[in-house]
Amino acid sequence: QQKVQQSPESLIVPEGGMASLNCTSSDRNVDYFWWYRQHSGKSPKMLMSIFSNGEKEEGRFTVHLNKASLHTSLHIRDSQPSDSALYLCAAHTEGADRLTFGKGTQLIIQP
Amino acid sequence: DMKVTQMPRYLIKRMGENVLLECGQDMSHETMYWYRQDPGLGLQLIYISYDVDSNSEGDIPKGYRVSRKKREHFSLILDSAKTNQTSVYFCASSLLRVGEQYFGPGTRLTVL
Repeated sequence: QQKVQQSPESLIVPEGGMASLNCTSSDRNVDYFWWYRQHSGKSPKMLMSIFSNGEKEEGRFTVHLNKASLHTSLHIRDSQPSDSALYLCAAHTEGADRLTFGKGTQLIIQP
Repeated sequence: DMKVTQMPRYLIKRMGENVLLECGQDMSHETMYWYRQDPGLGLQLIYISYDVDSNSEGDIPKGYRVSRKKREHFSLILDSAKTNQTSVYFCASSLLRVGEQYFGPGTRLTVL
């Protein structure tokens, strides 16, 4: 069964700084990743997805994917207090009918 | 506006009682999911439903069962609830089997 590891478990970043979150799958057949954001007391909401090797940017958020190393990372520049949340990484492997979620990275942006 | 609803939002039950959690979606999505979320454990998949009366076990199905008699409605049933089933339960739906998942607001269940 695929495992998805996220690091760090928690991260404190000053307002305006760069936050970098990591996610690695244990399955060599991983084909794409999703990033979800969950504010305290709320439900997860999809933030970004990435299917191809390389980089994808949406506003202040950039996602990298390296399929060879089974690794994706999420970078948030000019971090805002509203970015404080639990960030969940989910991975899909070829032929699977489900996603596997990691345990998440708790991000705190300090004003 | 695409929406997933869950009822009830909060529930307190005694050990051994039966529990029914309900989920609805207005997007005509074929695929629906039930997860539980516990601190430090992330989202754990309980059951998947591919469509009406087409359900599959997730990673932690023991102690749970599901029912889907209409595409827009998916129920999670706990027969004789246990204290270790205290958790936050999320329902989700997706258009494609492994597409973006839309989550409901969650049900916080406490089993005493």
